[in-house]
Amino acid sequence: DTAVSQTPKYLVTQMGNDKSIKCEQNLGHDTMYWYKQDSKKFLKIMFSYNNKELIINETVPNRFSPKSPDKAHLNLHINSLELGDSAVYFCASSQVWSSGTEQYFGPGTRLTVT
Amino acid sequence: AQSVTQLDSQVPVFEEAPVELRCNYSSSVSVYLFWYVQYPNQGLQLLLKYLSGSTLVESINGFEAEFNKSQTSFHLRKPSVHISDTAEYFCAVSDPVGAQKLVFGQGTRLTINP
Repeated sequence: DTAVSQTPKYLVTQMGNDKSIKCEQNLGHDTMYWYKQDSKKFLKIMFSYNNKELIINETVPNRFSPKSPDKAHLNLHINSLELGDSAVYFCASSQVWSSGTEQYFGPGTRLTVT
Repeated sequence: AQSVTQLDSQVPVFEEAPVELRCNYSSSVSVYLFWYVQYPNQGLQLLLKYLSGSTLVESINGFEAEFNKSQTSFHLRKPSVHISDTAEYFCAVSDPVGAQKLVFGQGTRLTINP
């Protein structure tokens, strides 16, 4: 029944490692997003894909690479992790080009880089 | 560019008291407006939204917000709060067209005291 799911929920890793976070939505939406929530709870858009095409790419280090194998999945791969990457990462989805336009959020992945 | 300012980072109130969480936005175009709620250690849930039409919108759990175009505000109110309303509340805007990324305010932590 979960609308937007993310794995893993918690991720603890060391500096310099490469890690991935997976996101899946079963709502039939055409657009997916990644947001980053920092330690002060501030939320900021990172990327957005519409029908597997990148449509939003905010100022994010190129160590972050999103990948969308199909419109139900949007994964986030992070290379050479740094301490500043520690945050909660939220995936979201919506149906753009229609009324309503609510974004549904996943439960978040808390990434801790040591 | 769009921006959102939530004027209060923390709002403590007593149970059954009224509350108002303030939100002002800046945008050169028309906007969609949202309030999201984040309960401790959870993802974001949509509380209510303004897309068009009536400027007063309501949620199922007693919250309401009023869109005021002249004051560029979308304040959230509840006449009587409960302990269960303790959470972080985020105001957000998006462009009605295009990718519709959400631009969030800094969040307001609502703490309900018995």
